[in-house]
Amino acid sequence: DAGVTQSPTHLIKTRGQQVTLRCSPKSGHDTVSWYQQALGQGPQFIFQYYEEEERQRGNFPDRFSGHQFPNYSSELNVNALLLGDSALYLCASSSPSTGNLGKLFFGSGTQLSVL
Amino acid sequence: KQEVTQIPAALSVPEGENLVLNCSFTDSAIYNLQWFRQDPGKGLTSLLLIQSSQREQTSGRLNASLDKSSGRSTLYIAASQPGDSATYLCAVPTGAETSGSRLTFGEGTQLTVNP
Repeated sequence: DAGVTQSPTHLIKTRGQQVTLRCSPKSGHDTVSWYQQALGQGPQFIFQYYEEEERQRGNFPDRFSGHQFPNYSSELNVNALLLGDSALYLCASSSPSTGNLGKLFFGSGTQLSVL
Repeated sequence: KQEVTQIPAALSVPEGENLVLNCSFTDSAIYNLQWFRQDPGKGLTSLLLIQSSQREQTSGRLNASLDKSSGRSTLYIAASQPGDSATYLCAVPTGAETSGSRLTFGEGTQLTVNP
């Protein structure tokens, strides 16, 4: 049973560029959430996707956007990259049928460095 | 606004010692609390999830307790081993959301167990 998979594992970009990160949820899960984790900090919630729509959003600018596909996989897009966007980006999956009873499963993350 | 604080920020202990990690949260209206483990540069692994109706959860050498009224949780690790070295994060659902996907994290406790 595959867990949450993310690609790529590492990425280096320059300021102003755009980046796309990818996530496949754990088998049986249909909800995907994205988190940003700066070095030495706890993860910060970016947004959640369910039924191909953004359902909740954290305090992140519109430069951060996403998409969910019919197979439940998801993409995170960041435009006009800033140095401060350098972080570990984590994808997490869950299933609404378990609601607040279920654990959140995380992928290994994509380490983004903006130079 | 929910805020989560973890004390201590870092902890170094000799192998075999029992230890306690602390987590506090400002809004006691939570329906669960999770403890995660994170190895350097990696994703998060859920260790224990405590529902609001529970007082504690146990898994192997780990025991987590929850006191909603005081806004506190503790993670007890018995007979620590070098393999326990990692950052431990606690997280609670944010605000009134019920999907379980939007969590507020503490900044973590970095644990080092020395052989």
